[in-house]
Amino acid sequence: DAKTTQPNSMESNEEEPVHLPCNHSTISGTDYIHWYRQLPSQGPEYVIHGLTSNVNNRMASLAIAEDRKSSTLILHRATLRDAAVYYCILREIYSGAGSYQLTFGKGTKLSVIP
Amino acid sequence: GAVVSQHPSRVICKSGTSVKIECRSLDFQATTMFWYRQFPKQSLMLMATSNEGSKATYEQGVEKDKFLINHASLTLSTLTVTSAHPEDSSFYICSARDPRGGENTEAFFGQGTRLTVV
Repeated sequence: DAKTTQPNSMESNEEEPVHLPCNHSTISGTDYIHWYRQLPSQGPEYVIHGLTSNVNNRMASLAIAEDRKSSTLILHRATLRDAAVYYCILREIYSGAGSYQLTFGKGTKLSVIP
Repeated sequence: GAVVSQHPSRVICKSGTSVKIECRSLDFQATTMFWYRQFPKQSLMLMATSNEGSKATYEQGVEKDKFLINHASLTLSTLTVTSAHPEDSSFYICSARDPRGGENTEAFFGQGTRLTVV
């Protein structure tokens, strides 16, 4: 999997928007951009993913640069429950039996200040 | 939505004993499950790929005789840490994907098992 680069940590005030950046300059045309987060002492959970267009879901928005070499995960209103490590992962389109593994980097530890 | 469940959530065992961790897909069938290990303040590292009805595939550096994986049904994979030592103390996490969702949907993770070997 292609490599991603994220800041080690970020802070946000509660109820303010948070923009978590991810650089992936070596992304290939068949790589999806996935975001997962891991709350303390829990397994990771899916947040969002996209290929070229910006994506929105109930948890977050994903803004993808036009050249796809970077992306930004946007939490519109941070809450204390959003404090977690956020992982940006590239995953090649898989045309196999329907399952795949993920390669986790160090991620960004988000702290939310009350 | 689809859920992956792990049991137990935490376990303490004595050195030299074996510990079994279960991973279940609750509302979908998973021919493949993945086992990760996470040491404190580090990221998840893939240990092995569990394949239903066949042998598991281990990542480089992971001892297959120490970390026994059994995937006897489409909804259950087990990881047994044999002859556990304190350095095996870690957070073990399993993962699976619902194949009904298409080629590039999300992976689901268990809640993790905190193993402490004393």
